[in-house]
Amino acid sequence: EAQVTQNPRYLITVTGKKLTVTCSQNMNHEYMSWYRQDPGLGLRQIYYSMNVEVTDKGDVPEGYKVSRKEKRNFPLILESPSPNQTSLYFCASSNRAKREKLFFGSGTQLSVL
Amino acid sequence: AQKITQTQPGMFVQEKEAVTLDCTYDTSDPSYGLFWYKQPSSGEMIFLIYQGSYDQQNATEGRYSLNFQKARKSANLVISASQLGDSAMYFCAMREGGQGNTGKLIFGQGTTLQVKP
Repeated sequence: EAQVTQNPRYLITVTGKKLTVTCSQNMNHEYMSWYRQDPGLGLRQIYYSMNVEVTDKGDVPEGYKVSRKEKRNFPLILESPSPNQTSLYFCASSNRAKREKLFFGSGTQLSVL
Repeated sequence: AQKITQTQPGMFVQEKEAVTLDCTYDTSDPSYGLFWYKQPSSGEMIFLIYQGSYDQQNATEGRYSLNFQKARKSANLVISASQLGDSAMYFCAMREGGQGNTGKLIFGQGTTLQVKP
């Protein structure tokens, strides 16, 4: 089954404790991206990757890191989480062309205390 | 800079009636794609419909159609014959393309639709 798998679904952590949210897709998609969803703000792009070893900043990259060492995986790293990073996070993938729809993961609800 | 605006935070519609969700956008790239996604209360993101900036006809997918007015930079979603299961948040999104980078994708703030029985 074609899918984007995010883990974990829920995460509660404390300020400053490094964490990684994993994202994996099995559709051989070149493009992967991360978004955060906050009430009233919609989804905002954090980082995206056009292919292996190619990443670029979205609209809200501060406080986040990503890597794309393999085509299927695109982890999101919070080196020192802060409470303002409490949010619902989505990973998504697609082929590169602008017509291609995104396939989304199920989301990760992160709370930073 | 790209921008997507959804001016209706919340809307109500009577079951079986049609409803239009507004979306306006701003871009300087002549080649772009516009999407609508649905997010039910369960949280998943569901693709509904796509419109390319050079597409000659307005996109349709079942009960969903996109009223694309390029000169006005609007891409409104029309849902015909609303069903209770249409109650959800709806997001408009844009992805620039053509010769430019197709990596950036921006979303509107979303519109919550409630269908009344």
